[in-house]
Amino acid sequence: QSALTQPASVSGSPGQSITISCTGTSSDVGDYDLVSWYQQHPGKAPKLMIYDVTNRPSGVSNRFSGSKSGNTASLTISGLQAEDEADYYCFSYTSRSIRIFGGGTKLTVL
Amino acid sequence: EVQLVESGGGLIQPGGSRRLSCAASGFTVSSNYMSWVRQAPGKGLEWVSVIYTGGTTIYADPVKGRFTISRDNSKNTVHLQMDSLRAEDTAVYYCAREGLSSGWPSPYIDHWGQGILVTVSS
Repeated sequence: QSALTQPASVSGSPGQSITISCTGTSSDVGDYDLVSWYQQHPGKAPKLMIYDVTNRPSGVSNRFSGSKSGNTASLTISGLQAEDEADYYCFSYTSRSIRIFGGGTKLTVL
Repeated sequence: EVQLVESGGGLIQPGGSRRLSCAASGFTVSSNYMSWVRQAPGKGLEWVSVIYTGGTTIYADPVKGRFTISRDNSKNTVHLQMDSLRAEDTAVYYCAREGLSSGWPSPYIDHWGQGILVTVSS
């Protein structure tokens, strides 16, 4: 099973909004509302930002939101802040019960 | 407070074996799905394996037949036995707890360990 497809990098200025896409297939993203998103700063463990496509854990800023259309899930960050600069990964359940990550997206805050 | 602490990493020769352990506190490992995730140096995250509450185990294709995930309920610990190690298994290995949705296990990771480095090299 190949990794989910994410853009290698995205960038935005403080205060702007950005969206990171995560494209899979009808055997993973398209078939289950079980996509989650993780933020990872250098040298740190990942942190859960969104689960089950749209749900935000307690403690995560409401500037982070998730959505899905067909085989593509998306993470939107509004009101971009310097501390949002990090790597972001999507993660999905699949029809084979295995889980797969996206290749990761490096977010740069200009 | 949920905590996951990995141990057992280090330098291993190709073809060798190593067992990683993940000591959990703040919850019971038999009550959640528990996964291992790895990250090769400078690379992205890669899911490795999961053990379900009922004991079912599932593996990613690159490790199937070489790695074995298990759980010791008496010690509240999860293990990853890694055999026939290859250079491409070199990575930081994270122990991870999968979460719950409406009280049911759901395949997202809500807690991570700090990670432990496994280096496979001669």
